[in-house]
This record gives sequence, structure tokens and C-alpha cells, in this order.
Amino acid sequence: KAGVTQTPRYLIKTRGQQVTLSCSPISGHRSVSWYQQTPGQGLQFLFEYFSETQRNKGNFPGRFSGRQFSNSRSEMNVSTLELGDSALYLCASSLDEGGTDTQYFGPGTRLTVL
Amino acid sequence: GNSVTQMEGPVTLSEEAFLTINCTYTATGYPSLFWYVQYPGEGLQLLLKATKADDKGSNKGFEATYRKETTSFHLEKGSVQVSDSAVYFCALSILPAGGSYIPTFGRGTSLIVHP
Repeated sequence: KAGVTQTPRYLIKTRGQQVTLSCSPISGHRSVSWYQQTPGQGLQFLFEYFSETQRNKGNFPGRFSGRQFSNSRSEMNVSTLELGDSALYLCASSLDEGGTDTQYFGPGTRLTVL
Repeated sequence: GNSVTQMEGPVTLSEEAFLTINCTYTATGYPSLFWYVQYPGEGLQLLLKATKADDKGSNKGFEATYRKETTSFHLEKGSVQVSDSAVYFCALSILPAGGSYIPTFGRGTSLIVHP
């Protein structure tokens, strides 16, 4: 079974631009979560989507948004990029909605904001 | 709120040494506890988990026991290998009744194993 895939793997943007990241979960998984990983803050939860609905949300500004499609693929969008948005963005999928279910992580998208 | 505290690294060991990485947590309720490992350039992989008190998770020679009385979930391995060099994350997840959950991760502990 193929793992979680994320595209692109690397991205360079400038301040003020917007960016869209994509995540394809493991086949059959209906939940997709997004995380931001930085050296300073560690791994922080952005949001979770299940059956095309955002179910949980971390403490991030409204510039960070996402969506999930009927095939469970998910996209994350960041508008008006700031230097501090430079990070590794990880996507994780699981069979069911949040909580105790095991999450399977993708390799991440490395975003650099100049 | 919920939190996870891990020992700071890096932890540097010689091959075949005994490993302990401490992890303690605070949570309202009874969380599930996880250890994830991240190899360079890769995403996180689940190493082991425990869903209730006194459960022991184990995988690839690693073990951790869910200790409710000390709110701990320390990771141990009897004999580390160079290939175990990675960053290890302790995490908790809890689904409160009627509320949404936010999975909580520790800051990660870097392990370096020398031949």
C-alpha cells in the first residue's frame, strides 16, 4: 500500500505571496491532519479534515486554511506569506477521525519564505 | 491544557549502550501515548503506542510503559545501533467528550549513536 505523499517536496516563495501544498493520504484513510515543524516551536498541529469537513483546528492565524476533497486528498493554503512561515509542513493520514488512531506521516514539504 | 515534556538532547551513545529517553505529560483525562521517530529528511514514523495505563508498547527493540501514577512514558532500548540515530518524539492524543482534540507533541530528542 502506498504511503502518504506530499507535493511539492521543496518550495521557495517570497513574502506576501501565497502557497498551496498538497497531500494524498493512504488509500482508505479518511482523516488528514496538517502540522508545522520548526526548530523553534517544534511540531505544531494546524488542523484536521475528515470527510471533507474541518474537525479540529490548532492555534494558527486565518492565513492558514485547508480543504479536503471527496477522494480524501487535502490541500493546505497559506496566504500573505511571512518569513516566519518558513518550515517543514507535514501531513498525516489516519483511518478515522482524530483522537487515538495511529497517524501515518508524509515526508513533508519544505517551505522557504524569502 | 495538555503538554508533553521530553528530555533535551542530543543524547550521544556508543553502539550497544542502553537508551532511556524520558517523557512526561500533563493531560485532562486519559490520553493515548505515542513515540514517533524521524530520520533525517523524512517525516515521522510511529514507533510504538499505548492506549491505557500499564500498557507496554514495543517495536524494533524499543519499549515504553504507560505509567499513569507518574504521568510518564519513557522510551527504552537495551542495545542501540548506529541506525537508531534519529529524532524521537513523544506525543499524546486525547478525545474529550463533546470537544475537539489537539494532538500534542514533545520538542523531540535527538539521538546520536557512535560505532
